[in-house]
Amino acid sequence: SQTIHQWPATLVQPVGSPLSLECTVEGTSNPNLYWYRQAAGRGLQLLFYSVGIGQISSEVPQNLSASRPQDRQFILSSKKLLLSDSGFYLCAWSKDTQYFGPGTRLTVL
Amino acid sequence: EDQVTQSPEALRLQEGESSSLNCSYTVSGLRGLFWYRQDPGKGPEFLFTLYSAGEEKEKERLKATLTKKESFLHITAPKPEDSATYLCAVQVTSGTYKYIFGTGTRLKVLA
Repeated sequence: SQTIHQWPATLVQPVGSPLSLECTVEGTSNPNLYWYRQAAGRGLQLLFYSVGIGQISSEVPQNLSASRPQDRQFILSSKKLLLSDSGFYLCAWSKDTQYFGPGTRLTVL
Repeated sequence: EDQVTQSPEALRLQEGESSSLNCSYTVSGLRGLFWYRQDPGKGPEFLFTLYSAGEEKEKERLKATLTKKESFLHITAPKPEDSATYLCAVQVTSGTYKYIFGTGTRLKVLA
């Protein structure tokens, strides 16, 4: 069966610090991978998606970036965090149906 | 523009009081409609996929239906453990790999 992992589960970072969130998928190959952000009480905002190694599509202009160094690994990064980057970050994978990871709660102070 | 709207935003039910959640969509072409359950602080959990009008799926107290314009998630005799946010999403046939999500319905079932 397939599983998706995200870490860390929670993160508190100062404004201006760098960020690296990691997502890995097990039990499947060549999945489509996604990063979403969910603000409190709001819907899912698609940030990036990837259909293959090194192929990244950005949906929202911002100070975040994504990379896919391996088939089942997806990384979300920032060089300098902003207060507005706080939120709940979700990684997902799909072949048809989309499945989500447990999420990372990021607080930028 | 492709769009998904869920209603109501929030719903409070007494235990055993059946009801329905609505997901209406406007898309250029529907590839699939998905229902998820999300508990606070956790990632969405997949419930159902529906592909064509008239299709129905059931799981325990939940039943999802699909028409050409909307989907319903029927909750029969809910229990407090059914309390969660229910999300609806669509995937369009326009050749992208994106899923469009509604903002969800927050369900609270009171004992």
